[in-house]
Amino acid sequence: QQQVKQSPQSLIVQKGGISIINCAYENTAFDYFPWYQQFPGKGPALLIAIRPDVSEKKEGRFTISFNKSAKQFSLHIMDSQPGDSATYFCAAVRGSGYSTLTFGKGTMLLVSP
Amino acid sequence: EAGVAQSPRYKIIEKRQSVAFWCNPISGHATLYWYQQILGQGPKLLIQFQNNGVVDDSQLPKDRFSAERLKGVDSTLKIQPAKLEDSAVYLCASSPGHLFAKNIQYFGAGTRLSVL
Repeated sequence: QQQVKQSPQSLIVQKGGISIINCAYENTAFDYFPWYQQFPGKGPALLIAIRPDVSEKKEGRFTISFNKSAKQFSLHIMDSQPGDSATYFCAAVRGSGYSTLTFGKGTMLLVSP
Repeated sequence: EAGVAQSPRYKIIEKRQSVAFWCNPISGHATLYWYQQILGQGPKLLIQFQNNGVVDDSQLPKDRFSAERLKGVDSTLKIQPAKLEDSAVYLCASSPGHLFAKNIQYFGAGTRLSVL
């Protein structure tokens, strides 16, 4: 059972364009939604995260939009750059107990020069 | 601040052989995680330690996988015997564990295992 569904699987965007990656979840016990960025040969690194009590969070060129009623959230990368080319994972964390990350399957982003 | 250290970076073994991976978390981090990342998929949690105690090993194939975190610092993950489907990257992560930052996990670069 895939608890966090992520799309698209891959994405090609021109430099300067907007990259959009979408995720959906089913478990309403999730209460923390991070995005991780992974470059080849490296481990995932936390990029940005949001809690469901806010609808949007922005950090530089990266924005998370959150729709609690639809149980969906998305990552927007504005002014995409070739250095943003990486695999992006959305994840969700249950509120109670110890934090356990449930990851989506990932989106491979390629930003063409 | 040093990051999460993992070794070896790469390992090639034949099926039915044994293999062990080592992880040294960020100093002072109470929580340590081992994940399996199969090519083209997101990381899947295998086991989670809080200090030297296991808090979640529900997805660990216990017939062949084992892990320990002696003294609540570094950790080893072992596979014995390995199967072809164990080919993956094994990621270690650590977290401060306290309420303020319990959700933030820092990942090592991983060990890429190929089982032939």
